[in-house]
Amino acid sequence: SQQGEEDPQALSIQEGENATMNCSYKTSINNLQWYRQNSGRGLVHLILIRSNEREKHSGRLRVTLDTSKKSSSLLITASRAADTASYFCATATYGGATNKLIFGTGTLLAVQP
Amino acid sequence: DTAVSQTPKYLVTQMGNDKSIKCEQNLGHDTMYWYKQDSKKFLKIMFSYNNKELIINETVPNRFSPKSPDKAHLNLHINSLELGDSAVYFCASSQADRGNEKLFFGSGTQLSVL
Repeated sequence: SQQGEEDPQALSIQEGENATMNCSYKTSINNLQWYRQNSGRGLVHLILIRSNEREKHSGRLRVTLDTSKKSSSLLITASRAADTASYFCATATYGGATNKLIFGTGTLLAVQP
Repeated sequence: DTAVSQTPKYLVTQMGNDKSIKCEQNLGHDTMYWYKQDSKKFLKIMFSYNNKELIINETVPNRFSPKSPDKAHLNLHINSLELGDSAVYFCASSQADRGNEKLFFGSGTQLSVL
């Protein structure tokens, strides 16, 4: 079954503003990852946060993880037009040999210049 | 050099045909995957291979048969194509199968079944 659900489904902001996307999941996880997908392209890994971490930063990206609420958020600060893309969270679950990454439904971010 | 490359980028074919999508990674990774992305952008894992061995098969119809001749290649063959197979198929790789590695994706193959 689908693991991650993202909110909002679509977000439109002006350049320079911050963008926040949320991800909720259902079962225990080992780590949570965020990916970006530009139109017509493959997904690109942005950041990984482990289940024992609460916050992580990478450049203009800030990710938080609340395992008690089974939720994560991705904050992009000072957004740029080039940040326009779909953003997906993905949860990694361990199940013996069948470790796998399950993707959420994605948030479509449009940054207006 | 493209890290994960898949061909073709676009594939248009008739119902009932058989087609293949090829994938190669030059990252030296041990694990490769096939994902299917539907029209609503939902991305679902189909298969994963670790060092040429099938690890995950997510209840994919047996019309889909992955083949891994070596750990750098994972091809996807689809028999008797159906309208519902229309989607974007992504190949990906990761260093290992421990679940804590990031995935590197190819640019996708858009399959349209008419």
